[in-house]
Amino acid sequence: DADVTQTPRNRITKTGKRIMLECSQTKGHDRMYWYRQDPGLGLRLIYYSFDVKDINKGEISDGYSVSRQAQAKFSLSLESAIPNQTALYFCATSEGGHGRDTEAFFGQGTRLTVV
Amino acid sequence: GEDVEQSLFLSVREGDSSVINCTYTDSSSTYLYWYKQEPGAGLQLLTYIFSNMDMKQDQRLTVLLNKKDKHLSLRIADTQTGDSAIYFCAVCTGGGNKLTFGTGTQLKVEL
Repeated sequence: DADVTQTPRNRITKTGKRIMLECSQTKGHDRMYWYRQDPGLGLRLIYYSFDVKDINKGEISDGYSVSRQAQAKFSLSLESAIPNQTALYFCATSEGGHGRDTEAFFGQGTRLTVV
Repeated sequence: GEDVEQSLFLSVREGDSSVINCTYTDSSSTYLYWYKQEPGAGLQLLTYIFSNMDMKQDQRLTVLLNKKDKHLSLRIADTQTGDSAIYFCAVCTGGGNKLTFGTGTQLKVEL
């Protein structure tokens, strides 16, 4: 089983709809992250959470919200989806701050298309 | 904020060496990473280097760091078709709390 599982893997939704992307991890890590990937732009950080009570905005949080339901679960919501939120979304987890012994583990991604 | 740049594409022949380059702006970056993304998959850590090192070798992979020029490179020796993927440079920012990724370099290995 994967260490980081994202659901759904693919989703097509209409403009204005609310959608939730879910992420669960079995690594036992405190830190979880949501990124979006766009061609030619790399990965950009949307939100990150250091533990269940600590949630922080990343560089592109507008239009998104998150919920850390448990140490193992971190969901990303688009309250009213718009076409420019079409992207590949990744969830990741790490044990602590990024450093020598701290590898970030990524899910397989959710491809979201907003029409 | 931190800015990390990579060229978008690289094409090499099987058996040749590949060199993927990355430049960054934050001189206080402590750890620098290379991640690999295969088609339809998430990112996997390939290797990393600490900022007080100039070079790190790990089997076919060699990482070179020029801290003065803020330039990082990944050399893959004897490139194979299985090395075809997108390679991301990433630097540790925000006091170790965040990774800033480059744009990714798509490596295509031709027979």
